Amino acid sequence: DAKTTQPPSMDCAEGRAANLPCNHSTISGNEYVYWYRQIHSQGPQYIIHGLKNNETNEMASLIITEDRKSSTLILPHATLRDTAVYYCIVANAGGTSYGKLTFGQGTILTVHP
Amino acid sequence: DTGVSQDPRHKITKRGQNVTFRCDPISEHNRLYWYRQTLGQGPEFLTYFQNEAQLEKSRLLSDRFSAERPKGSFSTLEIQRTEQGDSAMYLCASSLTAGISDTQYFGPGTRLTVL
Repeated sequence: DAKTTQPPSMDCAEGRAANLPCNHSTISGNEYVYWYRQIHSQGPQYIIHGLKNNETNEMASLIITEDRKSSTLILPHATLRDTAVYYCIVANAGGTSYGKLTFGQGTILTVHP
Repeated sequence: DTGVSQDPRHKITKRGQNVTFRCDPISEHNRLYWYRQTLGQGPEFLTYFQNEAQLEKSRLLSDRFSAERPKGSFSTLEIQRTEQGDSAMYLCASSLTAGISDTQYFGPGTRLTVL
């Protein structure tokens, strides 16, 4: 599975947009970019995923560069409840490893009042 | 609440004892995954099932670990002769294979403490 690189920590003011970057320079053509977050002592929560196109749902937007080597998760109006560890994962969509998620260290996002 | 439930939520046991955890996935989901998460680390894949078939096991899954999904619905993860290094959060996830995108939804986890 391809590796991802994320900053270890980021801060954001409440009400502002949080932009979380992720590098995945070795991503292959059939790999999706997934974002999960984990609030302390809870299971990971699915946020969004995409292959090539930008995606938006009720939680966030995902911007994937044209070469697919990096992406940005955008939380448009961060709240204190968005404080969590955010994981960017690339997952193979084929073969016997299909679906297995390989988590890295993630980015600790702290939203300040 | 994702619809994936795990029981128990917490388990404290003494070294050498056997423990069993249960996971109930979202009802129509055909894939079920187990992960382990130690303090300060991201979750690590252990094994997964498609329906009742166990299709992949990580090298992390030693001989003391066994997982089952007998009827393709709930799953159990058993650890025999627990060791202190087994202390971790055990996470279950499920997904519905649809096309080639496979979104996993996680349960709340079972936190195991081995004394």
